[in-house]
Amino acid sequence: NAGVTQTPKFQVLKTGQSMTLQCAQDMNHEYMSWYRQDPGMGLRLIHYSVGAGITDQGEVPNGYNVSRSTTEDFPLRLLSAAPSQTSVYFCASSSPRGGGYNEQFFGPGTRLTVL
Amino acid sequence: DAKTTQPPSMDCAEGRAANLPCNHSTISGNEYVYWYRQIHSQGPQYIIHGLKNNETNEMASLIITEDRKSSTLILPHATLRDTAVYYCIVRAQGAQKLVFGQGTRLTINP
Repeated sequence: NAGVTQTPKFQVLKTGQSMTLQCAQDMNHEYMSWYRQDPGMGLRLIHYSVGAGITDQGEVPNGYNVSRSTTEDFPLRLLSAAPSQTSVYFCASSSPRGGGYNEQFFGPGTRLTVL
Repeated sequence: DAKTTQPPSMDCAEGRAANLPCNHSTISGNEYVYWYRQIHSQGPQYIIHGLKNNETNEMASLIITEDRKSSTLILPHATLRDTAVYYCIVRAQGAQKLVFGQGTRLTINP
């Protein structure tokens, strides 16, 4: 299994540009999520999904859109990039066991700079 | 989810046991304690979790106090590769989200 994959690894955008960060997992996990991590900080939840066709907002959803058309993919869209969105973005997935959502698997991250 | 408190940084000598504390005094009965670590800006990695009993796996041991208000993650024989930021997270069973705090930056010294 490749686990959780993210593309691209690095991206530089200009203010106002849009782009999509890709996330895919091959473990048939129902739950997927996006986090951002600013320098010296912990991760903050942007959006999450409990299954195909179902998404919900996390702690910092403004400026981002998501969709979940398949179990495998969970893309994150930046509609109009701003310098405040400069960050490292992590995608994660997990599967419920015993009634709870236990171990989350994280991707390697996408490092985004908005000029 | 209950808030956790961790020391911002700790040092440990290579080969010794690293004991990382976490306070979660407002934890409720259905909330688990999870530990993750993040090595040098990689994606976080799951270590262990527990409810009220002590837990052990191939990576670490988790000791939870009887009142469940605090816990300790133990890396029994720390190596240089264990240098990372360690996050203690409290989460209810069935909850979707992981809420990350600042974590503890553990440095293993040769």
